[in-house]
Amino acid sequence: NAGVTQTPKFRVLKTGQSMTLLCAQDMNHEYMYWYRQDPGMGLRLIHYSVGEGTTAKGEVPDGYNVSRLKKQNFLLGLESAAPSQTSVYFCASSKSTGQHGYTFGSGTRLTVV
Amino acid sequence: GENVEQHPSTLSVQEGDSAVIKCTYSDSASNYFPWYKQELGKGPQLIIDIRSNVGEKKDQRIAVTLNKTAKHFSLHITETQPEDSAVYFCAASVSGYALNFGKGTSLLVTP
Repeated sequence: NAGVTQTPKFRVLKTGQSMTLLCAQDMNHEYMYWYRQDPGMGLRLIHYSVGEGTTAKGEVPDGYNVSRLKKQNFLLGLESAAPSQTSVYFCASSKSTGQHGYTFGSGTRLTVV
Repeated sequence: GENVEQHPSTLSVQEGDSAVIKCTYSDSASNYFPWYKQELGKGPQLIIDIRSNVGEKKDQRIAVTLNKTAKHFSLHITETQPEDSAVYFCAASVSGYALNFGKGTSLLVTP
């Protein structure tokens, strides 16, 4: 049971380039999330999804887009990367019923130069 | 929206001592309060959680207390060990999903 898998683990982009971060979960969780983690800022919610085909904005959505075409996958896209998007990105998933903690992936360290 | 504040930002204790991390939240409708431990280079991992109908919960050396009136909750780690060294995050949620996290506490346990 792999849990939540994020690819890639590391990436360096040039300003203006685009990329997609992939998150896959094998726990049949309904809810999925993308957070970014910056020093001294904790974890901030970018976008989330409460089911296949749905997405919603979180606290810091600007500059990012997401898609949830399949229940097990949640993609985070950067159309035109900026240095301010240098961060560690975490994907997480959770059950839909009741209140349950997240299962996090191991993160993607992105540097935009 | 919900605002979660966490203190202290860094905490150093000697092995065997207790550690306490405190969080406050702003939305009185919040009803779910998990705590996460993040080791270097890894994703956060859920260590304990508490729901609003419970005042205290224990799991071996860790415990969480909740005071809904004062809108604060705390993590208590007893008999600390070097492997407890990590960054700890509190979080709160109104909906049960879309967690709002505190900024984290870096705990160092020295032998």
